[in-house]
Amino acid sequence: DVKVTQSSRYLVKRTGEKVFLECVQDMDHENMFWYRQDPGLGLRLIYFSYDVKMKEKGDIPEGYSVSREKKERFSLILESASTNQTSMYLCASSSLRGDQPQHFGDGTRLSIL
Amino acid sequence: KQEVTQIPAALSVPEGENLVLNCSFTDSAIYNLQWFRQDPGKGLTSLLLIQSSQREQTSGRLNASLDKSSGRSTLYIAASQPGDSATYLCAVRHEYGNKLVFGAGTILRVKS
Repeated sequence: DVKVTQSSRYLVKRTGEKVFLECVQDMDHENMFWYRQDPGLGLRLIYFSYDVKMKEKGDIPEGYSVSREKKERFSLILESASTNQTSMYLCASSSLRGDQPQHFGDGTRLSIL
Repeated sequence: KQEVTQIPAALSVPEGENLVLNCSFTDSAIYNLQWFRQDPGKGLTSLLLIQSSQREQTSGRLNASLDKSSGRSTLYIAASQPGDSATYLCAVRHEYGNKLVFGAGTILRVKS
């Protein structure tokens, strides 16, 4: 069965800290995505990657960076965490095949104090 | 810029009722449309994916239709159950690219 695993369900960090969110998929998917979800704003794409070491900005990349050193792992980095980055973060993956859906992890609820 | 709208924003129905959730999109140049379910505090679960060349897809009590030219999709849930209570999101993928654009979702509550 398809599996996307996010390293933490809940995370509490302080402003100014460097924060790493990790995501691993076991489906050999080429594409991986990071979203944030906020009440009233829905899901917004932060970054995505279509291959190892490749990345593209989504709609709201400011304050974030990503790393994809291996095909199965996609990391989201908050360079200097701020309170407005408190949110639910969702990772997803998909194959290059257009007839296959995106598969999501359970999310990480991140609080920046 | 693609915009996806879902109506209604929330819906509360008694168990056993058939119901329809609506999704509309502004740019008809889509590759596919996907319906997802999200339970509170969880990630998204894919329900149905309709390619742009298809008119509908069915899975159990769920049926999704697509009218690409008018920019509309509906998700039909037959004989609703309390376990169907969740937020339902639709998302469209453009003809070119891998990104999905999501609607804000419909919060469904099925009362027993």
